[in-house]
Amino acid sequence: EPEVTQTPSHQVTQMGQEVILRCVPISNHLYFYWYRQILGQKVEFLVSFYNNEISEKSEIFDDQFSVERPDGSNFTLKIRSTKLEDSAMYFCASSEETKGHNQPQHFGDGTRLSIL
Amino acid sequence: QKEVEQNSGPLSVPEGAIASLNCTYSDRGSQSFFWYRQYSGKSPELIMSIYSNGDKEDGRFTAQLNKASQYVSLLIRDSQPSDSATYLCAVQVAYNTDKLIFGTGTRLQVFP
Repeated sequence: EPEVTQTPSHQVTQMGQEVILRCVPISNHLYFYWYRQILGQKVEFLVSFYNNEISEKSEIFDDQFSVERPDGSNFTLKIRSTKLEDSAMYFCASSEETKGHNQPQHFGDGTRLSIL
Repeated sequence: QKEVEQNSGPLSVPEGAIASLNCTYSDRGSQSFFWYRQYSGKSPELIMSIYSNGDKEDGRFTAQLNKASQYVSLLIRDSQPSDSATYLCAVQVAYNTDKLIFGTGTRLQVFP
């Protein structure tokens, strides 16, 4: 069964450094998402991406965050200057094109980001 | 503030019993509803989607939606120890938004 793949599985970074989290969405999906989950807390929406542009973003997704689809398969999340509070599990998700109802989003295994 | 509420549990049921997981949501205009299962340290795994009032069955799982009461539930029949996980309710509040709003999840424990 097709799946969303994320790399790396664990990233340890010094505060203030830049990190790039990578995702390969399911191949026929057109909508891409990033979510995060701080340990013990809810899964929170960060950003959605469609047709090579951001379609929606949350208040969490401030100027330190950016997303990119650099080629036909990868979808990346960049955090420019990491803070301690960015430590979380980051999930990439993808879905098929919406046809009336919002299509289910399928999640990757996540990247655990630890900021020291 | 759009909210999705779940009892955090744990909900403990014996093997073979029916587990009933509940979720309420605040936005009356919500359109699409999903149940995800999350094992500890793992990612959310889609179990069910439901869009219309009533019941939707898939194997041992039944999702129930009542938009008038702003209530969605998940029933797990013949619960197995492998069903022990946190079950996340997720809501998409309108056709013109993509984001999922998640509840805190209900931890289910199925004991032999």
